[in-house]
Amino acid sequence: DIQMTQSPSSVSAFVGDRVTITCRASQSIGIYLNWYQQRPGKAPKLLIFVASRLQSGVPSRFSGSGSGTDFTLTISSLQPEDFATYYCQRSYSIPITFGQGTRLEI
Amino acid sequence: QVQLVESGGAVVQPGRSLRLSCSASGFTFRSYALHWVRQAPGKGLEWVALISYDGSSIYYTDSVKGRFTISRDNAKNTVYLQMNSLRLEDTAVYYCARDFGVPEPIHMLDYWGQGTLVTVSS
Repeated sequence: DIQMTQSPSSVSAFVGDRVTITCRASQSIGIYLNWYQQRPGKAPKLLIFVASRLQSGVPSRFSGSGSGTDFTLTISSLQPEDFATYYCQRSYSIPITFGQGTRLEI
Repeated sequence: QVQLVESGGAVVQPGRSLRLSCSASGFTFRSYALHWVRQAPGKGLEWVALISYDGSSIYYTDSVKGRFTISRDNAKNTVYLQMNSLRLEDTAVYYCARDFGVPEPIHMLDYWGQGTLVTVSS
């Protein structure tokens, strides 16, 4: 199975900062990579799909890039509501696998 | 609007069974594949199972194969997860989620329920 590894596991930042989270696949997955946000006590929410496409309703400060094995999620100017855990996820193949998560602390 | 509402979570002893339900509304249920994803306390997300729009294709993660069964009733807009031979490590919040793809799944989960807690404890 393809493994998804996120870094860092946690990060502290201030409101207004630019933050980048990385996800690495153990082998090439093309652009079949999605990002989710999970606020404490809430269900995950889809942010970005196929590496760089923003889900409807997601603020434009979120962006994604990458292909092959290396992907990034960038938040251009952190807002207080961005305090959450972020997961990458490989799609278009079974088993579906998630990264271990990156906890973003404001 | 799209809504997924899970139910059936409980405290159960190891080796016992439990059935979770996920009731859907706000979309054409019979056109979409559905997933179950779980999250152990303080841990990350783990995909559990997938059922295609018509129930003809079903997939499981290895750790639940032979113990869990996913099914759906398109007349009732409901997907189920029958969990048998429960283990301590099955303790988690179980979410159902809709697959974005129509009708074939693309493994992008665009709507999630609020989750239901299953606790396996003696």
